[in-house]
Amino acid sequence: NAGVTQTPKFQVLKTGQSMTLQCAQDMNHEYMSWYRQDPGMGLRLIHYSVGAGITDQGEVPNGYNVSRSTTEDFPLRLLSAAPSQTSVYFCASSYVDRGEQYFGPGTRLTVT
Amino acid sequence: DAKTTQPPSMDCAEGRAANLPCNHSTISGNEYVYWYRQIHSQGPQYIIHGLKNNETNEMASLIITEDRKSSTLILPHATLRDTAVYYCIALYSGGGADGLTFGKGTHLIIQP
Repeated sequence: NAGVTQTPKFQVLKTGQSMTLQCAQDMNHEYMSWYRQDPGMGLRLIHYSVGAGITDQGEVPNGYNVSRSTTEDFPLRLLSAAPSQTSVYFCASSYVDRGEQYFGPGTRLTVT
Repeated sequence: DAKTTQPPSMDCAEGRAANLPCNHSTISGNEYVYWYRQIHSQGPQYIIHGLKNNETNEMASLIITEDRKSSTLILPHATLRDTAVYYCIALYSGGGADGLTFGKGTHLIIQP
């Protein structure tokens, strides 16, 4: 199993650009989520999904959209990038039990 | 989910047991204790979890006090690769879809 994969690993955007961060898992997990981690801070939940076709907002959803058309994929869209969105983004997945989550390697995003 | 408190940093000599404490004095009866770690620049990694009884897996042991107000994660023979930030999280297993709440954790430094 590849586990949770994220692409790209690094990205630089200009203010106002849009882009999609990709996340995929091959463990048939129902639950998937996106976090951001800023320097010296813990992870904060952006959006999550409990299954295909179902998504919901986390702690810091503004400026981000998600969709879940398949069990495997959970892309995160930045609508109009802002410097405040400079961060490391982690995708995670788990079975219905959210406690034991598997995290991807992260995407390091810089918005200039 | 109950609040947890951990020391900000700890040192341990390579080859010795690393004992990481966590206080969760307000934990309720059906909240589990989960441990994760985050090695620099990587995604968090699940280590172990438990409810009442002590647990052991290939990575670590988890000792939970009888009153469940605190716990200790034990890495039996620490190596340099165990240098990481360790997070103790209390949450209801299998219920709710909110994300994991990562506090500041304990930065464990394994000394050669």
